[in-house]
Amino acid sequence: DGGITQSPKYLFRKEGQNVTLSCEQNLNHDAMYWYRQDPGQGLRLIYYSQIVNDFQKGDIAEGYSVSREKKESFPLTVTSAQKNPTAFYLCASSIGARYTDTQYFGPGTRLTVL
Amino acid sequence: KNQVEQSPQSLIILEGKNCTLQCNYTVSPFSNLRWYKQDTGRGPVSLTIMTFSENTKSNGRYTATLDADTKQSSLHITASQLSDSASYICVVDQLIWGAGTKLIIKP
Repeated sequence: DGGITQSPKYLFRKEGQNVTLSCEQNLNHDAMYWYRQDPGQGLRLIYYSQIVNDFQKGDIAEGYSVSREKKESFPLTVTSAQKNPTAFYLCASSIGARYTDTQYFGPGTRLTVL
Repeated sequence: KNQVEQSPQSLIILEGKNCTLQCNYTVSPFSNLRWYKQDTGRGPVSLTIMTFSENTKSNGRYTATLDADTKQSSLHITASQLSDSASYICVVDQLIWGAGTKLIIKP
């Protein structure tokens, strides 16, 4: 995990509520990412940011929003528009956004919709 | 369609034994392939990275191989330990992720 923290570890949400997942890194990395992991599937990219104040949609951005106001922080909001939000959410960072730049992951947040 | 497929889905072996996990990909063009280890309920940790020109890369008891012609990679674990119990994920170009192989080491 080293250097990347995610909170909370477990999160429960009622249908219709927005929730925000926190991701902080102290590795001085420019790039940050949000992934969703479901059982039996590979990681799917939600959003990524190559630099402060800039971010791009990944493969499954619908129902999610992000901000990148500080280099260290990349919070993810799961909105009520996300139809199936129950999943394990992983935040990652890398020194840059090149294919060769290793991504370092946080410990994850498990979101459950009640 | 760019895909990464891993086999087997799950594997149980006894402590001390060796095992090999497979990764087939259809990604083109291709720059690099990584193997990650993910403990249950934790984030993945990078084990190895290979570019298209490399055939093998070792990290302790982990050895990854790559055949760019057949688009296949394998991860060989030698003298398995209980701490090797985890999911092992293959990813191409840090973009196309496999579903992983769940490895269980039994004492």
